[in-house]
Amino acid sequence: EAGVVQSPRYKIIEKKQPVAFWCNPISGHNTLYWYLQNLGQGPELLIRYENEEAVDDSQLPKDRFSAERLKGVDSTLKIQPAELGDSAVYLCASSPQGDTGELFFGEGSRLTVL
Amino acid sequence: GENVEQHPSTLSVQEGDSAVIKCTYSDSASNYFPWYKQELGKGPQLIIDIRSNVGEKKDQRIAVTLNKTAKHFSLHITETQPEDSAVYFCAARTGDTDKLIFGTGTRLQVFP
Repeated sequence: EAGVVQSPRYKIIEKKQPVAFWCNPISGHNTLYWYLQNLGQGPELLIRYENEEAVDDSQLPKDRFSAERLKGVDSTLKIQPAELGDSAVYLCASSPQGDTGELFFGEGSRLTVL
Repeated sequence: GENVEQHPSTLSVQEGDSAVIKCTYSDSASNYFPWYKQELGKGPQLIIDIRSNVGEKKDQRIAVTLNKTAKHFSLHITETQPEDSAVYFCAARTGDTDKLIFGTGTRLQVFP
């Protein structure tokens, strides 16, 4: 079974430029998460989707960040414009329906903003 | 909201020794406590978890204990091996929002 797939793995951009990250969750997983991981820190939730619906986006900086999961499968996270402080790893995770608890993470997209 | 503190931030042990990582949480309504292992360049991977109705859980060389009264839980790795070297994160799921809050991580190094 394929795991959570994220792309790109690495992205280097200049500040004020836009960037987008893509995530394809494990087949059949209804819940999708985007996490931010700063260097030396634990993941922090940005947004959680149940199918197409964003059920928790309280930590998403909505002035510059946006996300979508139009057909309830893959998802895109966008930053526009990027700032120096956005340099981090953006992790996508998915989980099946029901309270299994376990999150399945992708390998992450490492963003460097110059 | 929930706050999870994790100690130590780094831990070095000799191969074969035991390693213990401790976490405390603030929300007494938290009900689920997983531990994730993150290797360099990879995403975190669940290694063991425990729910609030259980005090201890073991899976081969790994065990987790939970003290609900004191609001702390610990990861125990016995007979450590070099491949156990990684960053370990504890987490707690909040009782009201179902959000998973992660600790700051422990970098474990196992020397041969």
